[in-house]
Amino acid sequence: QVQLQQWGAGLLKPSETLSLTCAVSGGSFSTYYWSWIRQTPGKGLEWVGEIHHSGSTNYSPSLKSRVTISLDTANNQFSLKLRSVTAADTAVYHCARGRERLSYWGQGTLVTVSS
Amino acid sequence: QSVLTQPPSVSAAPGQKVTISCSGSSSNIGNNYVSWYQQLPGTAPKLLIYDNNKRPSGIPDRFSGSKSGTSATLGITGLQTGDEADYYCGTWDSSLSSGVFGGGTKLTVL
Repeated sequence: QVQLQQWGAGLLKPSETLSLTCAVSGGSFSTYYWSWIRQTPGKGLEWVGEIHHSGSTNYSPSLKSRVTISLDTANNQFSLKLRSVTAADTAVYHCARGRERLSYWGQGTLVTVSS
Repeated sequence: QSVLTQPPSVSAAPGQKVTISCSGSSSNIGNNYVSWYQQLPGTAPKLLIYDNNKRPSGIPDRFSGSKSGTSATLGITGLQTGDEADYYCGTWDSSLSSGVFGGGTKLTVL
């Protein structure tokens, strides 16, 4: 049973860096893409970015200048950093396994940006 | 503004059938596999359909998917009150080199 458990700071001030980590258990960490998706309260899903087990990354064009996704293969974890956050980055952030097929999802972390 | 276009809402009576459309372009739906997700209130999205028309283990055959050209469709038969949720289509966009989603469709079972 594949499980994704995520954690990170839930309250940030404008200009700070959002940092979330997702730990994968119960399945292989290699072979797959690992993704981050966010959802603004009451709105739809927005793809943030992905990292392949090889280390290659792709990011949302609108977030590319502020996002970094990294892998920790030793601990079967991957992480998201989003720099210079504003109120517009307030959202529930989900980690997930896959690219077109997002088979398993983390529980979601509400990140609020407020002064 | 989402890259993929879905109707904001659909509704039908229990036991009936409903379809949800997802429209895109040649750079996304036209040349990549489509997935569908169900999101119940307060929960993470759940994969319903992948590779246009395949169901993960445990998903009942009341849920089906199809794709034609640059559009995809999710079908749900034998509607139950427990099917009330938000439904999203998603795929890869080869031009953007990014994942893309529809804006979501809220299903109401009257």
